[in-house]
Amino acid sequence: ELKVEQNPLFLSMQEGKNYTIYCNYSTTSDRLYWYRQDPGKSLESLFVLLSNGAVKQEGRLMASLDTKARLSTLHITAAVHDLSATYFCAVDMNNTDKLIFGTGTRLQVFP
Amino acid sequence: KAGVTQTPRYLIKTRGQQVTLSCSPISGHRSVSWYQQTPGQGLQFLFEYFSETQRNKGNFPGRFSGRQFSNSRSEMNVSTLELGDSALYLCASSLGARGPGQPQHFGDGTRLSIL
Repeated sequence: ELKVEQNPLFLSMQEGKNYTIYCNYSTTSDRLYWYRQDPGKSLESLFVLLSNGAVKQEGRLMASLDTKARLSTLHITAAVHDLSATYFCAVDMNNTDKLIFGTGTRLQVFP
Repeated sequence: KAGVTQTPRYLIKTRGQQVTLSCSPISGHRSVSWYQQTPGQGLQFLFEYFSETQRNKGNFPGRFSGRQFSNSRSEMNVSTLELGDSALYLCASSLGARGPGQPQHFGDGTRLSIL
């Protein structure tokens, strides 16, 4: 059974600092997604990572995928308050549109 | 382009009742997936429909069922409601072609509370 683990679960960071969220998964997959969820809101798609070594960047967020290590990272550069949200990684089981989500990382950025 | 629309946004039911939730996907999307989100269990996959056929199913009891219509709209039904069914139910749509990964686009969800 595919399991997806994220760490940390909670992250409180100061504006301007850098940090990385880690997403580990237990079985082979080459499709990994990152989503953002604001409190009381739905999930917003951030990145789609499709192959080993894939790297995507949008603003202060950069995501990468290492399929051999079964690891994806979401790196935050020079955090700002607007990035405060919960971030989820999700793995597509065998290209089936069945997403297995990680536990989520609740990020809080303070001045 | 309109996003994924879920109705109703909020529902309050009592134990033993049944409920039907509705989801209209993005125009042109043929795959509709349903997820349950709770503080304790996180986001869990319920099922996925494509061209009116259930293509994937998660590990939920038979009380949870769904269907998809010819216009790709989908409904989810939960019978004999239990307190533990209180959750945010999210619907997501995608092209469903299983080609190069397309993200699933999520609706705002239906928050179901069981009293």
